[in-house]
Amino acid sequence: KAGVTQTPRYLIKTRGQQVTLSCSPISGHRSVSWYQQTPGQGLQFLFEYFSETQRNKGNFPGRFSGRQFSNSRSEMNVSTLELGDSALYLCASGQTGEASYEQYFGPGTRLTVT
Amino acid sequence: QKEVEQDPGPLSVPEGAIVSLNCTYSNSAFQYFMWYRQYSRKGPELLMYTYSSGNKEDGRFTAQVDKSSKYISLFIRDSQPSDSATYLCAPGLTSNTGKLIFGQGTTLQVKP
Repeated sequence: KAGVTQTPRYLIKTRGQQVTLSCSPISGHRSVSWYQQTPGQGLQFLFEYFSETQRNKGNFPGRFSGRQFSNSRSEMNVSTLELGDSALYLCASGQTGEASYEQYFGPGTRLTVT
Repeated sequence: QKEVEQDPGPLSVPEGAIVSLNCTYSNSAFQYFMWYRQYSRKGPELLMYTYSSGNKEDGRFTAQVDKSSKYISLFIRDSQPSDSATYLCAPGLTSNTGKLIFGQGTTLQVKP
């Protein structure tokens, strides 16, 4: 089975711009979670989508949003980028039911905001 | 107080040593306890998990949970240079959610 894929792998944006990141989960997985990883804060949960609905949300401002499509692929959008948004953005997919706590991560998208 | 506390290290040990990695957590509602390993410039990979209190062994790795003291441990026996990575503990609330709360991660270096 193919793993979780994320595109693009690297991105450089300017403050004030917006960005969209994409994630394709493992085939058959319906849960997609997004995390932000920075040296100072570590891995922080952004939100989770399951069957096209946001099921959980972390403590991030409304500039961070996401969506999930019927094929379980997910996108994350950050509007009005700030320098502090520079981070590794990780997507993780999971199964349903009892095994949904097993999260499988993609390689991440490294976003640099200048 | 953070929900999950983990000493960031770095922790440096000689090859063959027994390594002990630990986390403490504050939310008594956590039921699932995951350990992830992250190599440099890679996404985290699920190493092993336990449900509720107790031990779980997988090869050279043993995960231990003590819910009474809210303490999570990962032991690595006969450590190898290939074990050099950052280890993250991640408790979860229930089975039906993708939300994990990660510790800061402990960076481990195993020297040949």
